[in-house]
Amino acid sequence: DIVMTQSPLSLAVTPGEPASISCRSSQSLLHSNGYNYFDWYLQKPGQSPQLLIYLGSIRASGVPDRFSGSGSGTDFTLEISRVEAEDLGVYYCMQALQTPFTFGQGTRLEIK
Amino acid sequence: QVQVQESGPGLVKPSETLYLTCTVTGGSISSYSWSWIRQSPGKGLEWIGYIYYTGTTNYNPSLKSRVTLSVDTSKRQFTLKLTSVNAADTAVYYCGRGASMVRGAIDLWGQGTRVIVSS
Repeated sequence: DIVMTQSPLSLAVTPGEPASISCRSSQSLLHSNGYNYFDWYLQKPGQSPQLLIYLGSIRASGVPDRFSGSGSGTDFTLEISRVEAEDLGVYYCMQALQTPFTFGQGTRLEIK
Repeated sequence: QVQVQESGPGLVKPSETLYLTCTVTGGSISSYSWSWIRQSPGKGLEWIGYIYYTGTTNYNPSLKSRVTLSVDTSKRQFTLKLTSVNAADTAVYYCGRGASMVRGAIDLWGQGTRVIVSS
């Protein structure tokens, strides 16, 4: 199975400040078609996960443009340009290049 | 608006068989994959498998011997069957829709159904 490793596991950010979360995969997620099969999800307290970013860098419908995804191969980053209070929760990365799909262990974002 | 709703027994005894249902309302089930994912405190998020409306399936090898996914297209319902459950199967189980033509990208999740395995 592909192992997904996130860092940091937690961070506290002041509203209005930027935040960055990294995810590294044990194998390249770059398909021969040029796409990275890599997603970011946010699980807000008491809610189901929600898709933020897919194919490494494409924002899902309705996701604010303060969220951006970058990276290729084995190293990916989620950046929040200006954190808002509603962004708190646990962020997960997931690879979908091969089954079984696998998730990172999660990064908890707290608001200062 | 498309919605996904999981349902299940809540409590299951060890060694018994668990059945969960995922019902889709307000939209089509074709052209998408439908994944089951579970979340337990000890193991985080774990992908169980997915199924298409055609019945094509793909399972996590760690559960493959115990899990079966099926679909009833007339009811727009998906069913997860997990045999010989044990305490490690205690989790919140989610059903989710994979975005059309994109591998992964689970863009619609149900609220989840909690399952406790206990005698």
